[in-house]
Amino acid sequence: AQRVTQPEKLLSVFKGAPVELKCNYSYSGSPELFWYVQYSRQRLQLLLRHISRESIKGFTADLNKGETSFHLKKPFAQEEDSAMYYCALSLSSGGSYIPTFGRGTSLIVHP
Amino acid sequence: DTAVSQTPKYLVTQMGNDKSIKCEQNLGHDTMYWYKQDSKKFLKIMFSYNNKELIINETVPNRFSPKSPDKAHLNLHINSLELGDSAVYFCASSQGGRDTQYFGPGTRLTVL
Repeated sequence: AQRVTQPEKLLSVFKGAPVELKCNYSYSGSPELFWYVQYSRQRLQLLLRHISRESIKGFTADLNKGETSFHLKKPFAQEEDSAMYYCALSLSSGGSYIPTFGRGTSLIVHP
Repeated sequence: DTAVSQTPKYLVTQMGNDKSIKCEQNLGHDTMYWYKQDSKKFLKIMFSYNNKELIINETVPNRFSPKSPDKAHLNLHINSLELGDSAVYFCASSQGGRDTQYFGPGTRLTVL
């Protein structure tokens, strides 16, 4: 059963436009949610996590437990934001926690 | 001062061969992972390992086996390589399973 859903495989916007990358999760416990970013031919790195409530590179994400969503938003996209974005959830599994990733959304920001 | 490193960066080999990928982390983390990223960029966890427990994704063939000589290393051994094993393999580490993961640079495996 898919626990993390990113419905858009590809999101294409123009520079300066708002962007929202959607993430929905399925989990009955207290969720630990992350957004990771992978720039072209680089390693994945943390963008932000819900408990920190930070804004990183202009991105924010709010946990909505009612809608079980953790959408990533930025009001004005930049070309350097073009990358692959993964939403991730830490799932409880027999006393341990296993990270589960969504399928990823490729964001392309056109000049 | 690289946090998570992997070797080799590229690995090209023939079907049927056995190969290993090494991973080391200097962050003092207690949990390490192996992921497979396919051509569609789908990231799938293969193993999660700390000094107490190995958790295996049941979809991973038993040709794949993690080996941890110590807390800072988790190597991936692959026997009888198949064409479908071609992918990018990422190692990662974290402090416990609920914390931020730090990824290695990836190993691009090509099976001919």
